[in-house]
Parts: sequence; structure tokens; C-alpha cells
Amino acid sequence: QSVLTQPPSASGTPGQRVTISCSGSTSNIGINTVNWYQQLPGTAPKLLIYRNNQRPSGVPDRFSASKSGTSASLAISGLQFEDEADYYCAAWDNSLTGRGVFGGGTKLTVL
Amino acid sequence: QVQLQESGPGLVKPSQTLSLTCTVSGASIRSVNTYWTWIRQHPGKGLEWIGYIYYSGSTYYNPSLNSRVTISVDMSKNQFSLSLNSVTAADTAVYYCARENQVDYDALDYWGPGALVTVSS
Repeated sequence: QSVLTQPPSASGTPGQRVTISCSGSTSNIGINTVNWYQQLPGTAPKLLIYRNNQRPSGVPDRFSASKSGTSASLAISGLQFEDEADYYCAAWDNSLTGRGVFGGGTKLTVL
Repeated sequence: QVQLQESGPGLVKPSQTLSLTCTVSGASIRSVNTYWTWIRQHPGKGLEWIGYIYYSGSTYYNPSLNSRVTISVDMSKNQFSLSLNSVTAADTAVYYCARENQVDYDALDYWGPGALVTVSS
């Protein structure tokens, strides 16, 4: 069981907009920033969004994210076949001694 | 540019110790506000944060692994290492090393390609 909850799958057709949710609690998303990672098949995860809604250099502006309370969401507009990947949300969790936590991942299929 | 590379045995016997090293190039292990992190991914599953180390030697571990894990740093070689003892088949996973950049991102901005470690007799 992952500390952060994501839907296991999402799908869309090229050009569509899809959103992926990430639900946490007051010990993680509620008080810390959220990051999002994209993992293409057979590769290491790549930083997609940091500090809730910031894009690193090189990430297309088709990717956006937001946070509200203990939840966060990632949106991908103008969906492309190359966006087919696993997406993970992550945050620091202040419970116990503190630790990094991830969502279970959402597999995005572009139909 | 910054690169990380995991190395170590791909096969470990049950009850033994899993040891991996991450070699960092293009950045100094001594960088301030930078935490050197291990993450693992069980086959077909999600990501699990194992822990991280600061160059000063300060460490944070996942409480679920705390009693079995040690992360250390070798500044002379610009490397950091993971040791996980008493392994079982449940520790079979791809192990990633990554850089937590708290200056620019508060996130893992560089990752190694990953190393598959299988626990089997």
C-alpha cells in the first residue's frame, strides 16, 4: 500500500486533456510540496514537476500540476503518443521519523 | 552534466547482504543542500524510497527498512553506497540512486539508470 493514492490507470486519445490525481494526508501533501515523475518504459523516472506546479527546463508546458489541501493533480493537455508512461507523485512525509513517499503510480495509455 | 551510475552484484543469496555503490560525476558529493538518495522498484510495481545521506554523514531511512539498511558516503571517490542486510526474495527490485536537489527543486533531479538485484539461492 502506497502512502499516496493514485488511480492505477488513465487513458486518452491524442490531443485530449487528461488528469491524474494524487491523494495524501496532513502529514505529507498537506504540509509539504509535491513532485511528479514520468517513467517511460524501461527507463529511470524523470522529474516532471517540482514544488507543486513548477516545470524543470525542457518539460513542455503541456504538463501542469496543482495542489489543494491534501491532494494534488497532474494535467497533460494536447496528449501525444510519447506521453504514454507511468506517472508518480511524491512528497515528504513528516510522520514517524520522516521519509520520502511515492504514489503507487498511474499508467497512462494513449489510445 | 550530472550523471549517476549504480554498480554491484546482480544476484544475492537470501539472508546475505545486498551492497550497491553509486558513482556520481559532474557534481560533488559535498554539495550543500543536496541529499544522495536510494529508491527501489519491485518488478512491475511502484517506487519505494529507501533513504538518503548528506555529505556530512547524516542519514534518513525509511522506517520500514530502518533496521536493515545503511547508507554511507565516500567523498574521496565521489560515491555513496547502500547496504541492505538479511535480504529475502521480497528485496528483489531495481535499485536507483538519485540526487535530491533542495537548492533548485526540492526533488530528485538526476537518477541513475537503475540496477536490477535478484535475491535467489
